[in-house]
Amino acid sequence: DSGVTQTPKHLITATGQRVTLRCSPRSGDLSVYWYQQSLDQGLQFLIQYYNGEERAKGNILERFSAQQFPDLHSELNLSSLELGDSALYFCASSVGQEGEAFFGQGTRLTVV
Amino acid sequence: DQQVKQNSPSLSVQEGRISILNCDYTNSMFDYFLWYKKYPAEGPTFLISISSIKDKNEDGRFTVFLNKSAKHLSLHIVPSQPGDSAVYFCAASFGNEKLTFGTGTRLTIIP
Repeated sequence: DSGVTQTPKHLITATGQRVTLRCSPRSGDLSVYWYQQSLDQGLQFLIQYYNGEERAKGNILERFSAQQFPDLHSELNLSSLELGDSALYFCASSVGQEGEAFFGQGTRLTVV
Repeated sequence: DQQVKQNSPSLSVQEGRISILNCDYTNSMFDYFLWYKKYPAEGPTFLISISSIKDKNEDGRFTVFLNKSAKHLSLHIVPSQPGDSAVYFCAASFGNEKLTFGTGTRLTIIP
């Protein structure tokens, strides 16, 4: 158990819909990262937050947004969903802004 | 632009032998490198890391080697065990930037 909690574990939704994925980082970790893993592909960095502030942005679509709340949990919002958005979405956290990150078990999103 | 590359999508090794997983990177600014292991339906788990000021780091059966001039790192697992069968990702970062991952190598340990 990494200490990072993601909910829900599975999500099935229709095209055009909007979903919210939630992540609770390890106790004391200030950095939260979101990654996307499409079928048989590597982990693509989406966005990083550090202590509530956006720190780095990857290839995140404009339809996607995220935030980190004062209690340090984070949410990833995906809107106007397309079939190609089907993927595993991982959240990770770390103490600082660099070094090893600890991953949650992921949310498997299926868009039908 | 794939800054971290794992050119072998898969690798099969006999139990008890050495597994060598390779990773190349293009960004010379990277100063911290990590290996993660991933089982199906689980998140990646951190295995071992190395700073750019070192060329080797060991942790039990796992050793990571870094060749900065070649922009290459490798993970050695000795001896390989059936439980090592998983997908291995290398990752790199610099300064306070996020981790950049390779595409992974699926390691299968043959009993």
